[in-house]
Amino acid sequence: NAGVTQTPKFRILKIGQSMTLQCAQDMNHNYMYWYRQDPGMGLKLIYYSVGAGITDKGEVPNGYNVSRSTTEDFPLRLELAAPSQTSVYFCASSHGPPGRSYEQYFGPGTRLTVT
Amino acid sequence: AQSVTQPDIHITVSEGASLELRCNYSYGATPYLFWYVQSPGQGLQLLLKYFSGDTLVQGIKGFEAEFKRSQSSFNLRKPSVHWSDAAEYFCAVGAESGAGSYQLTFGKGTKLSVIP
Repeated sequence: NAGVTQTPKFRILKIGQSMTLQCAQDMNHNYMYWYRQDPGMGLKLIYYSVGAGITDKGEVPNGYNVSRSTTEDFPLRLELAAPSQTSVYFCASSHGPPGRSYEQYFGPGTRLTVT
Repeated sequence: AQSVTQPDIHITVSEGASLELRCNYSYGATPYLFWYVQSPGQGLQLLLKYFSGDTLVQGIKGFEAEFKRSQSSFNLRKPSVHWSDAAEYFCAVGAESGAGSYQLTFGKGTKLSVIP
């Protein structure tokens, strides 16, 4: 099993550009998540999904969009990139719902810089 | 809503010394409690978790944590630190956020440095 994979590893965007961060998992998990990690701030939940076709906002969803057309893939879309979106983005998945006893499995992250 | 506090931003210990990382939470009932570790440039990996039963839980890499309800704490310990333990450690709390839904909240992390 590859687990959770993310592409790209690094990206530099200009202000106003758009991009999609890719995330895939091969563990047949229904639950998938996108977090952003800023220095000294821990992880903040952007969006999550409880299954194909079902997504919901997390704590910091503004400026982002997601879709979940398959169980495996959960891409994160940035429209009109802003410097405030400079961060490290992590995708995660779990077998059961968040906040319960289920472990979340994390990808290696995408480091995004917006200049 | 629940909250998680990791009071120590950065801790430095000598290799072979013991380690305790602190985690306090705020929640009205017993939450689900986790410790994750993040090595440099990597994603997070689960060290251990607690949701019921014995309040002393064992995890991977020789770590353990103890849930103390009276202190709302879930501190992580290791008796002898290895240089490879240098990483950032996150405590996380899972709890009900309303209407039967649950959420996982991460602390801000404690960075551990290990000196030879």
